Amino acid sequence: GAVVSQHPSRVICKSGTSVKIECRSLDFQATTMFWYRQFPKQSLMLMATSNEGSKATYEQGVEKDKFLINHASLTLSTLTVTSAHPEDSSFYICSARDYRGLGRDEQYFGPGTRLTVT
Amino acid sequence: EDKVVQSPLSLVVHEGDTVTLNCSYEVTNFRSLLWYKQEKKAPTFLFMLTSSGIEKKSGRLSSILDKKELFSILNITATQTGDSAIYLCAVGPGGSEKLVFGKGTKLTVNP
Repeated sequence: GAVVSQHPSRVICKSGTSVKIECRSLDFQATTMFWYRQFPKQSLMLMATSNEGSKATYEQGVEKDKFLINHASLTLSTLTVTSAHPEDSSFYICSARDYRGLGRDEQYFGPGTRLTVT
Repeated sequence: EDKVVQSPLSLVVHEGDTVTLNCSYEVTNFRSLLWYKQEKKAPTFLFMLTSSGIEKKSGRLSSILDKKELFSILNITATQTGDSAIYLCAVGPGGSEKLVFGKGTKLTVNP
């Protein structure tokens, strides 16, 4: 299957600082990437949809000025958590859409980034 | 509001048992249903279902979709301890690329 990477896998930062997480599709082009967060023992919650070359679409309740998303190319999307607070500590997962027409429309997930804000 | 409900939320079995995981959904203009397996990190893709009644199979895992009754099941036969994971069901509404996830079923397979 297709491969999606995320970097870093773990990051610890101090309150008030910003953290950038990268999501890359390694062997396919992804016009759409998605950013999720997952709290312990809970399901994935979609934060935003990132389309290459255009502004991201944020889900209700997600602050776009706090979670900056840039989809600079067909293989790279970044999520920047600005002015991080301890409540932003979570597992952030990206996925990339591999769409090749009828019968082939799948999302592949990155391995996730564990963010801890102290 | 689009909704995906999985049951049971948690399941403990012994190696060799067969399990059936359920996923029911309510979405506008259904496009596809996907099953994922999540161990310690991000989910890994298992199946995508778009048509009713056609079973998809991969080794000991199989899944089928019923678009009339709005549900899908994931079967795992001859379970192994390595099958222990959270199994997530997600549905893609038509006209959207988004996925709506269920809360997952936590499967524990004891030796």
